Amino acid sequence: DAGITQSPRHKVTETGTPVTLRCHQTENHRYMYWYRQDPGHGLRLIHYSYGVKDTDKGEVSDGYSVSRSKTEDFLLTLESATSSQTSVYFCAISPGQGAGEQYFGPGTRLTVT
Amino acid sequence: QKEVEQDPGPLSVPEGAIVSLNCTYSNSAFQYFMWYRQYSRKGPELLMYTYSSGNKEDGRFTAQVDKSSKYISLFIRDSQPSDSATYLCAMSASGANSKLTFGKGITLSVRP
Repeated sequence: DAGITQSPRHKVTETGTPVTLRCHQTENHRYMYWYRQDPGHGLRLIHYSYGVKDTDKGEVSDGYSVSRSKTEDFLLTLESATSSQTSVYFCAISPGQGAGEQYFGPGTRLTVT
Repeated sequence: QKEVEQDPGPLSVPEGAIVSLNCTYSNSAFQYFMWYRQYSRKGPELLMYTYSSGNKEDGRFTAQVDKSSKYISLFIRDSQPSDSATYLCAMSASGANSKLTFGKGITLSVRP
């Protein structure tokens, strides 16, 4: 998985609780991305980062926030989890400028009850 | 019209068959084209990466881009049961901070 780890790999949480997912890379790539994958919707971009402290929204950013204080770590936070955020979350990294080849982590399976 | 359309499948073929997977797109600004393979409960894995029009071959896999028709294809020759996975096309425009747009994926099953 191209030097990308995600934690936790599985999580079950209750509606209304905050949740933080972590993506860690050892490749020193500038770009990092958070996606969610749902049946019928495919992969959808939540947020991305183009450098330390530089982040921007994707197409499904409502209810999510991100932070990147170090090159290697990109955190995704669900401030108050809802059942609609039950999904598989993937982190990706890219070495180039802008979207080109992206390399994905193993995913986090999140269930909100 | 969605930006990227991919046949929904699923697709089932016998071992040894030639497989053709296709995507169409509407955004003429797309310059980079990718195919990802995703095994069940795993992350997508970059399989092929091409720029602009033309063909690219890697072993049993050939990626083809026809920008005039806004159509890309992935061909798998001599398909193997280990090729059974979901295949996603993805594409992007050039420029800093451009983003990937994915097809929804097609699930391929290669029967022994």
